[in-house]
Amino acid sequence: GAVVSQHPSWVICKSGTSVKIECRSLDFQATTMFWYRQFPKQSLMLMATSNEGSKATYEQGVEKDKFLINHASLTLSTLTVTSAHPEDSSFYICSARALTSGSLGEQYFGPGTRLTVT
Amino acid sequence: AQKVTQAQTEISVVEKEDVTLDCVYETRDTTYYLFWYKQPPSGELVFLIRRNSFDEQNEISGRYSWNFQKSTSSFNFTITASQVVDSAVYFCALSEPIAGGTSYGKLTFGQGTILTVHP
Repeated sequence: GAVVSQHPSWVICKSGTSVKIECRSLDFQATTMFWYRQFPKQSLMLMATSNEGSKATYEQGVEKDKFLINHASLTLSTLTVTSAHPEDSSFYICSARALTSGSLGEQYFGPGTRLTVT
Repeated sequence: AQKVTQAQTEISVVEKEDVTLDCVYETRDTTYYLFWYKQPPSGELVFLIRRNSFDEQNEISGRYSWNFQKSTSSFNFTITASQVVDSAVYFCALSEPIAGGTSYGKLTFGQGTILTVHP
């Protein structure tokens, strides 16, 4: 089956530093990847949509200069949280849509990355 | 705008009881997709079902069943003979169509229902 990985699975960083989270489709190519954020005991909220080779589309209220997204290849998208603050502590989950022709492009979720900013 | 409402924040049942998780959605699209996901304590989302708006047939998969009613904009999920391993957070989600309706885009999630099954 289609597998999406995220690295790291968890990370602790100090306030003011930047942290990069990778989302990889391991056995399929992904034209589109979605980044969601989930605060404790809350729902998943879409942050941005990234398409391979083009700029990401951010949801309203998400700071694009703070959450940098790069989708440089058909198997890798990265989310960089710049100048992280404690309020950025959250569970970040990506999903990847399989590149397919003539049929529904299924989306597959990664296992998530838990970010704690101290 | 799309919206998903899961009115039940938490449900607690005893093993072997049946339990229904409610989901009500709002959308202006005539074509759309509905989903249910399970999120165990590990955090990883487990896909349970996808249904498109043209398929109103109810579905059963083992102990799981889904009731889709367009007339009431509901997509409810029932677990029959619940087990402790069913304890998790369950999310209902809605997606807009893309590519002429042949695929789906970003997901809008409900608030989630925490299900606890006691032995």
